[in-house]
Amino acid sequence: GAGVSQSPRYKVAKRGQDVALRCDPISGHVSLFWYQQALGQGPEFLTYFQNEAQLDKSGLPSDRFFAERPEGSVSTLKIQRTQQEDSAVYLCASSDGTVNEKLFFGSGTQLSVL
Amino acid sequence: LAKTTQPISMDSYEGQEVNITCSHNNIATNDYITWYQQFPSQGPRFIIQGYKTKVTNEVASLFIPADRKSSTLSLPRVSLSDTAVYYCLVGAPMNRDDKIIFGKGTRLHILP
Repeated sequence: GAGVSQSPRYKVAKRGQDVALRCDPISGHVSLFWYQQALGQGPEFLTYFQNEAQLDKSGLPSDRFFAERPEGSVSTLKIQRTQQEDSAVYLCASSDGTVNEKLFFGSGTQLSVL
Repeated sequence: LAKTTQPISMDSYEGQEVNITCSHNNIATNDYITWYQQFPSQGPRFIIQGYKTKVTNEVASLFIPADRKSSTLSLPRVSLSDTAVYYCLVGAPMNRDDKIIFGKGTRLHILP
């Protein structure tokens, strides 16, 4: 596709449920990022992939959060045993990894945990 | 990791030029300065990037003084559709120890 695609656009989960959020980056982009954005705040870094390698996962808030990109293209962010504090917009971005790196963002998945 | 400081919010009127200044006193030699724009219910969108002096594109201009400790995003003749949050980021994209960090941004509100 022409841009970064995220699905679902909205997700409502009951506390304790597991959720999986999908990101389809721009074709050929080697770098992929996940961010979490709370209402009224800037995006907070979660994790970064270069191709299939997860090079930085220091922003993942707990071991309930897990991300993968097994073939270096589509990525999935999984949250286990969701809590109310996980409610946020989850943004995915990709880039071509060049020196003047520009991030291209998807529209995000809005997660509401009840 | 260079930290950025920008105004929390700004108001302006249609047709005016808007300048948003970002402070980054600890900017490193290899760091670039990048600005993003975010509308509600959308992800941030790249606006402009620079290293020094002045950069201009079809959307905005970016002014960077010689010491590079600050930068100013200039939006010419704003319209209501420029109402958004604007983020200033500083970092060396190829340095993978340097996360791409967003601050709280500047909420720009354009009035008719």
